[in-house]
Amino acid sequence: DGGITQSPKYLFRKEGQNVTLSCEQNLNHDAMYWYRQDPGQGLRLIYYSQIVNDFQKGDIAEGYSVSREKKESFPLTVTSAQKNPTAFYLCASSLNRGLTAGELFFGEGSRLTVL
Amino acid sequence: GQQVMQIPQYQHVQEGEDFTTYCNSSTTLSNIQWYKQRPGGHPVFLIQLVKSGEVKKQKRLTFQFGEAKKNSSLHITATQTTDVGTYFCAGPGGNKLVFGAGTILRVKS
Repeated sequence: DGGITQSPKYLFRKEGQNVTLSCEQNLNHDAMYWYRQDPGQGLRLIYYSQIVNDFQKGDIAEGYSVSREKKESFPLTVTSAQKNPTAFYLCASSLNRGLTAGELFFGEGSRLTVL
Repeated sequence: GQQVMQIPQYQHVQEGEDFTTYCNSSTTLSNIQWYKQRPGGHPVFLIQLVKSGEVKKQKRLTFQFGEAKKNSSLHITATQTTDVGTYFCAGPGGNKLVFGAGTILRVKS
């Protein structure tokens, strides 16, 4: 079955540590996205990538980094510079790019807690 | 930048009552999408509307796209407990989707 796999589902980290969240898709989608969701709030875009080896900052990119070395993979690193990293992180992909991106397919999310 | 406003933020209804959430954009949209996120889950695509004045139905759910393509609504008839969750609208902004803040629906049985 095709889909998006995020890991880990739950992650605890100490302050000052970097952590990398994995996102893999086997849908052959061009575009991939990382969103952050805080309790009772909507989805805020962190980074997105429309093609391999290229990515753009979203609305809240500070303290995060990404890479897109392969079409199917878009890992997100939450760095120690991110002041309030405890949140639910969602990875998504879409078949097309840009304004006609079409529906987003989401992974099940990674819940990060900073102790 | 483009903003998508969604109201109400929260609604608690008795099972069997109707529910509506509204979405308004600061700019004209080429299309609008709706997603549902169950508690503890991830957003799942429901539908995309493209044409001015378009109305689409999915069983008890009715989706509308405004004539000016700047607003949209989702109406649920006779809510059931399975309808609980957060409903998001999203419209294209630049090269990405811009999501509304969502409407949290709770259904009391």
